[in-house]
Amino acid sequence: AQKITQTQPGMFVQEKEAVTLDCTYDTSDPSYGLFWYKQPSSGEMIFLIYQGSYDQQNATEGRYSLNFQKARKSANLVISASQLGDSAMYFCAMITLQAGTALIFGKGTTLSVSS
Amino acid sequence: ETGVTQTPRHLVMGMTNKKSLKCEQHLGHNAMYWYKQSAKKPLELMFVYNFKEQTENNSVPSRFSPECPNSSHLFLHLHTLQPEDSALYLCASRRTAGLAVTGEQFFGPGTRLTVL
Repeated sequence: AQKITQTQPGMFVQEKEAVTLDCTYDTSDPSYGLFWYKQPSSGEMIFLIYQGSYDQQNATEGRYSLNFQKARKSANLVISASQLGDSAMYFCAMITLQAGTALIFGKGTTLSVSS
Repeated sequence: ETGVTQTPRHLVMGMTNKKSLKCEQHLGHNAMYWYKQSAKKPLELMFVYNFKEQTENNSVPSRFSPECPNSSHLFLHLHTLQPEDSALYLCASRRTAGLAVTGEQFFGPGTRLTVL
């Protein structure tokens, strides 16, 4: 079964601190891709970062990095130097060859950044 | 601007009404998707179209009827909806390259639907 698990319903962090959002995945497919999306209160889903199952290095995009631990089947998102604008819902998602062309999403984590 | 637009952004309808949601993408993508996002629930995939052909229908009730006239446009026709159908409906598109697992989905801003 293909599944994404996000166990943190809510996370709280202060401005300028780093925060890690957890994501574990389950698939028997050796070829898969992992994504993180941000959804502000406006509703739009914003793509943040991608990690392929065969990528040797962890993906990084500006303040976002993906801590990919293949043996543990985890793909945690690390946000460095949090900003107030980072307050949003964050979704981890996966695509596999078995799942076809659609992403499988986790339940999401709400991140609140305070000053 | 993500390149995926959705109209209307907000819709209130009665249970006997018929309405349509529209999605348009100008990214040259070949796959388009409808998702439903209810409060406190994960995104639920509803339909997938690949090169205008429906490839997935995720056990969606027949009161939701998708239409994909071309690779750039996707509609969701609604009729005799129930109050529990109130949700955010998100459209997405993606370029699928054979069996590749790369290529993110680009999402539209969503239509917030309220069924009275």
